[in-house]
Amino acid sequence: DARVTQTPRHKVTEMGQEVTMRCQPILGHNTVFWYRQTMMQGLELLAYFRNRAPLDDSGMPKDRFSAEMPDATLATLKIQPSEPRDSAVYFCASGTAGDGNGEQFFGPGTRLTVL
Amino acid sequence: AQKVTQAQTEISVVEKEDVTLDCVYETRDTTYYLFWYKQPPSGELVFLIRRNSFDEQNEISGRYSWNFQKSTSSFNFTITASQVVDSAVYFCALSEVRISNFGNEKLTFGTGTRLTIIP
Repeated sequence: DARVTQTPRHKVTEMGQEVTMRCQPILGHNTVFWYRQTMMQGLELLAYFRNRAPLDDSGMPKDRFSAEMPDATLATLKIQPSEPRDSAVYFCASGTAGDGNGEQFFGPGTRLTVL
Repeated sequence: AQKVTQAQTEISVVEKEDVTLDCVYETRDTTYYLFWYKQPPSGELVFLIRRNSFDEQNEISGRYSWNFQKSTSSFNFTITASQVVDSAVYFCALSEVRISNFGNEKLTFGTGTRLTIIP
């Protein structure tokens, strides 16, 4: 049963520290999304990639956040330096463009707490 | 800009009752997708349904049914004979469709409706 995997599942860190979250999309999917869920803002898109190229990162604070896809099996989201307001659940999702399906498969999320 | 509104923040019903979750959307696109996702207490996001904007047929899947009305920009979700396991937060979402790719663009989510089924 193919699934999106995310590591770590939980992360507690102190303000100012660097945080790296990793995502392994479903094999064969060419589109990868990063979403963030908070009580105040709900679910919002941070960035997404197609065929490893960034398509839209307008939802991401550029001064501290960066997203990359080193290869087709790994997507990373990095925060440096982290701040308490970054505390949230970060979801990765993957899907396939061009199949007319449009479905996005979500990973279990990384719950980040910045103290 | 796209927008999804779920006006019902929380709903509680007694088990076996029917319940409808409302979703209203705004978009300038003529072609788009609509989705419903379920988020149970465990936190994962579970895909329920996807609808193309050019397909207004209502859909039924077991106890779940969806009513898509383009004229009112609504995509409502009904659970018939609700069960305790239906307790979750339900999200409606919208995405554009790029003809060149035909699918899988970013989702714009509503704020969710927390559904509690009382035993």
